[in-house]
Amino acid sequence: NAGVMQNPRHLVRRRGQEARLRCSPMKGHSHVYWYRQLPEEGLKFMVYLQKENIIDESGMPKERFSAEFPKEGPSILRIQQVVRGDSAAYFCASSPGARGAGQETQYFGPGTRLLVL
Amino acid sequence: QQQVKQSPQSLIVQKGGISIINCAYENTAFDYFPWYQQFPGKGPALLIAIRPDVSEKKEGRFTISFNKSAKQFSLHIMDSQPGDSATYFCAASYGGYQKVTFGIGTKLQVIP
Repeated sequence: NAGVMQNPRHLVRRRGQEARLRCSPMKGHSHVYWYRQLPEEGLKFMVYLQKENIIDESGMPKERFSAEFPKEGPSILRIQQVVRGDSAAYFCASSPGARGAGQETQYFGPGTRLLVL
Repeated sequence: QQQVKQSPQSLIVQKGGISIINCAYENTAFDYFPWYQQFPGKGPALLIAIRPDVSEKKEGRFTISFNKSAKQFSLHIMDSQPGDSATYFCAASYGGYQKVTFGIGTKLQVIP
C-alpha cells in the first residue's frame, strides 16, 4: 500500500509565476489536509478537504491560494503570483476518516519544497 | 497565537540517556495529542498518540505522560540512540475532524 505521494518534490518558481502542488492520498483515504512549514518552524494547518468539498480553509491565505480535491485525481494546492515569502515546504496528509478507532490518524507525504526566486 | 507550546527547541542527549520533550496547551477542547517524528527532507511520521482519559502511554522506548489538570504532556525517549536524532513535534486536535495544531518542534541530537 503506497503512502501519501506528493509531486513535485522540489519546485522553483520566479516571482509572479504560478505554483501547482499535487497530492495523492493513501489508498482508501478520503480526507486530505495541507500544511505549510517555514524554515525552523512547525507545521501550520492550511486547508482540509474531502472529495469535491473544502471543509475548512481557515489556515489558507485569502488571496492567491486555492485548493481542490476533485472526484477523480489528486488534490491540488495552487499558489498564484508567487512571492518570496511563499518559499516553504508544503506537506499533504491524508486520513481514512475524521474520528474514531484510528480513523483520525494523519499520514504525511514527503512534501514539496517550493523556492521562489 | 501559539496554542501548543513546545520546549526545548533543541536537545542534545548522550546515547543511552533519556530524552524529554515537554508541551503545554491552552485550548481545553483538545482531545487528541499525537507526537510526530521528522527526519531531514522527509514528512512527519506519527510516533505515538494519547487521549486525555489516559495519563500515560508507552510504546517500546517511547512514553507519553499526560497531565490534564496542568494541560501539559511530554514525550520520554528511553535509551536514546543516534538513530533517534530527528525533529519531534507535539500536536493537538479536537472536534469532528482533525485540524492538527503543531508545536514548534524539538531538534534532538543523540551523540555516541
